[in-house]
Amino acid sequence: NAGVTQTPKFQVLKTGQSMTLQCAQDMNHEYMSWYRQDPGMGLRLIHYSVGAGITDQGEVPNGYNVSRSTTEDFPLRLLSAAPSQTSVYFCASRNPGAANYGYTFGSGTRLTVV
Amino acid sequence: AQSVSQHNHHVILSEAASLELGCNYSYGGTVNLFWYVQYPGQHLQLLLKYFSGDPLVKGIKGFEAEFIKSKFSFNLRKPSVQWSDTAEYFCAVRGGSQGNLIFGKGTKLSVKP
Repeated sequence: NAGVTQTPKFQVLKTGQSMTLQCAQDMNHEYMSWYRQDPGMGLRLIHYSVGAGITDQGEVPNGYNVSRSTTEDFPLRLLSAAPSQTSVYFCASRNPGAANYGYTFGSGTRLTVV
Repeated sequence: AQSVSQHNHHVILSEAASLELGCNYSYGGTVNLFWYVQYPGQHLQLLLKYFSGDPLVKGIKGFEAEFIKSKFSFNLRKPSVQWSDTAEYFCAVRGGSQGNLIFGKGTKLSVKP
């Protein structure tokens, strides 16, 4: 099924460990983004990309790296995990050419840093 | 910078009660406005969106929202809620050159059967 696929769904990390959250879409969307969701804070934009080779920071980029080598994939890297990064992470993509600017969200990755 | 403000953190209603969730945004340019719903343990689903035209927008599951430009508001309404509407509701605005979605902090709705 077409859509945004995030892996893993759940992850527990120890402080200082690194990991990569994967996000892939098969809709040929140029725009992709990462959000984190925390209770009472809504969704906050971490990083986004308007196309392969182009990334930019959102509202809360510290502690996260991204790259966009292909249109399909937009991984989010935590180089040294901290308890403050415990959150639910959502990836979203959008087709800028679509008349309704439809966003498609992945099902999320729940990350716990202990 | 753009921002979105949702007035209520947690709303508790009985079934059949009417619902109105407030949303105000700050952005001076052309905006696109959205309401998303997140059921427990699930990801975001689009309820409705406003781009242009009729300021009263109808969405799925009986929800509607009214865009009032002069008040920078986009309030969500439903005449009669059901227990299955228990969820968290997020207002979002898309604006600026990159079209990033900026979300409000969300409103939890609990509907008592």
